[in-house]
Amino acid sequence: DAGVIQSPRHEVTEMGQEVTLRCKPISGHNSLFWYRQTMMRGLELLIYFNNNVPIDDSGMPEDRFSAKMPNASFSTLKIQPSEPRDSAVYFCASSLRGPDTQYFGPGTRLTVL
Amino acid sequence: AQRVTQPEKLLSVFKGAPVELKCNYSYSGSPELFWYVQYSRQRLQLLLRHISRESIKGFTADLNKGETSFHLKKPFAQEEDSAMYYCALYTGGFKTIFGAGTRLFVKA
Repeated sequence: DAGVIQSPRHEVTEMGQEVTLRCKPISGHNSLFWYRQTMMRGLELLIYFNNNVPIDDSGMPEDRFSAKMPNASFSTLKIQPSEPRDSAVYFCASSLRGPDTQYFGPGTRLTVL
Repeated sequence: AQRVTQPEKLLSVFKGAPVELKCNYSYSGSPELFWYVQYSRQRLQLLLRHISRESIKGFTADLNKGETSFHLKKPFAQEEDSAMYYCALYTGGFKTIFGAGTRLFVKA
């Protein structure tokens, strides 16, 4: 297994544009997590899914952020419209059970100009 | 409130010196705690979990419920230990809370 796959690895966009980040979890894992990593705030949980259903989106910063998981092998995190303060590294992770080890993707480095 | 606190953003030690990365948590239930590590240009990965009571790469962490702490320790730091370390708390319902992270820099 290639592990958790994220695309793109780097994204540079201009303020106001829509950004879509993609994630493919490890096959068989039933929990998927989206995190944001910044120097100031460290690793923040944005939203997580269990069996494709969003369980807790309280970490999503604003209505500009939305996430979907249409099936067990794919999830997206969308920012519309993007702002410079959204610049960060966004990680996707998956796990088999709640307390189990989370396996992280390589991250998407987003820069909003 | 459920919270994980890592008070040091940056910790710098000399090679061969002992290192301790601090982690305190706030949780009303029975905690399950983890340490994750992110080496340069690598993915964030699990280092150890308290229920395993194991030593990984010379690191150990003991859960102290009285002090609500889960500090990560290594008696002799190596240059290859330089990385970002995150303490994490499983709070149930598939949710894990991460601390803000501590960057460890081991100087030659």
